[in-house]
Amino acid sequence: QQQVKQSPQSLIVQKGGISIINCAYENTAFDYFPWYQQFPGKGPALLIAIRPDVSEKKEGRFTISFNKSAKQFSLHIMDSQPGDSATYFCAASRWEGKLIFGSGTRLLVRP
Amino acid sequence: DSGVTQTPKHLITATGQRVTLRCSPRSGDLSVYWYQQSLDQGLQFLIQYYNGEERAKGNILERFSAQQFPDLHSELNLSSLELGDSALYFCASSVEGAGYNEQFFGPGTRLTVL
Repeated sequence: QQQVKQSPQSLIVQKGGISIINCAYENTAFDYFPWYQQFPGKGPALLIAIRPDVSEKKEGRFTISFNKSAKQFSLHIMDSQPGDSATYFCAASRWEGKLIFGSGTRLLVRP
Repeated sequence: DSGVTQTPKHLITATGQRVTLRCSPRSGDLSVYWYQQSLDQGLQFLIQYYNGEERAKGNILERFSAQQFPDLHSELNLSSLELGDSALYFCASSVEGAGYNEQFFGPGTRLTVL
């Protein structure tokens, strides 16, 4: 019940395209869903996060869509750029703050 | 730069040895989290401290221990090291110990056990 399942494992997108990464969770007690971006040799950095009381959150080119009934959430990267090439992790947590991470998606944006 | 510092950046040691990883949280952050990142297990939560006290425990082996000091820096001690302990170890900090506070990750310590 603590798992967060993430797909796809890897993704190749052309510059200017839309990158979509999906996550599903089981524990209905989760109430905070962040996405982290990690570049090689660096620590994960928070990209955007959502609470289950909203269905969508947008920050610049990054949008989280949240479906509470399906227990799924996704990250959309609009107008993908080569600089977006990184590994993306979804995560979920309950009130105590520890993050349960998905397995990661390696995104490559081709010029 | 997240403001979280970790030392050392790299650590190479032998099986059976003991090492200490150090983390300094962002100024003002009271909570420190430790995570392990390996190729086969992904990012796994190990342990959390809040203002010097253990707050939550995850998949942390008995050979591993941690503490948070009065100045809020934290140390993760790994003993009787095995080859499988080779991984990236990240520390993260947040303002409070619970809720929906953003966790800021440090650059990590890469541990190699030979």
